[in-house]
Amino acid sequence: QKEVEQDPGPLSVPEGAIVSLNCTYSNSAFQYFMWYRQYSRKGPELLMYTYSSGNKEDGRFTAQVDKSSKYISLFIRDSQPSDSATYLCAMNSGGSNYKLTFGKGTLLTVNP
Amino acid sequence: EADIYQTPRYLVIGTGKKITLECSQTMGHDKMYWYQQDPGMELHLIHYSYGVNSTEKGDLSSESTVSRIRTEHFPLTLESARPSHTSQYLCASSWPEGAITDTQYFGPGTRLTVL
Repeated sequence: QKEVEQDPGPLSVPEGAIVSLNCTYSNSAFQYFMWYRQYSRKGPELLMYTYSSGNKEDGRFTAQVDKSSKYISLFIRDSQPSDSATYLCAMNSGGSNYKLTFGKGTLLTVNP
Repeated sequence: EADIYQTPRYLVIGTGKKITLECSQTMGHDKMYWYQQDPGMELHLIHYSYGVNSTEKGDLSSESTVSRIRTEHFPLTLESARPSHTSQYLCASSWPEGAITDTQYFGPGTRLTVL
């Protein structure tokens, strides 16, 4: 079993839709959770990071962590064509361990 | 926006050639990383460095080597390229020592094709 599972999609939605992207993980030591956005032929860019369980909001983006279920989500409200990209979840246990474990990424297309 | 640079962006070479992929960052980050990314697959860590003269192999075995002589520079070298090395190579750096989270910032990547 992979440590991080992420549905690769592709996911296609109309402009203005609410998008839900999800990852599950198996390592209970993970405490720090990140979401990266990667446009085609570019490097990943950090969108949000959260620590432990709960929600974190930044503009149209909300990151949610449920440690009891080992499940994290990224919600995008009022999705825009410019949100079309691959979204990668990543996580680590923190402390002296700075290495990240990534999901495969979900390809999202927002249609105008 | 993170200041991390990779050159070349695209490279097509023949089998057996020696290549060096360059990565530089101007943020003063101690930690730097090299990842390999194939289409539809996870990023796999192949090398990392926690500072000058510190290099370690990552989780994915790689025939490449790295060096860290200066804080800002972390080049990756392949002594003899093969078609199996065809991939996207991503360089990243992260917050200086003492940060509680590892927020890594990525360069634009080098897309390598070995014929």
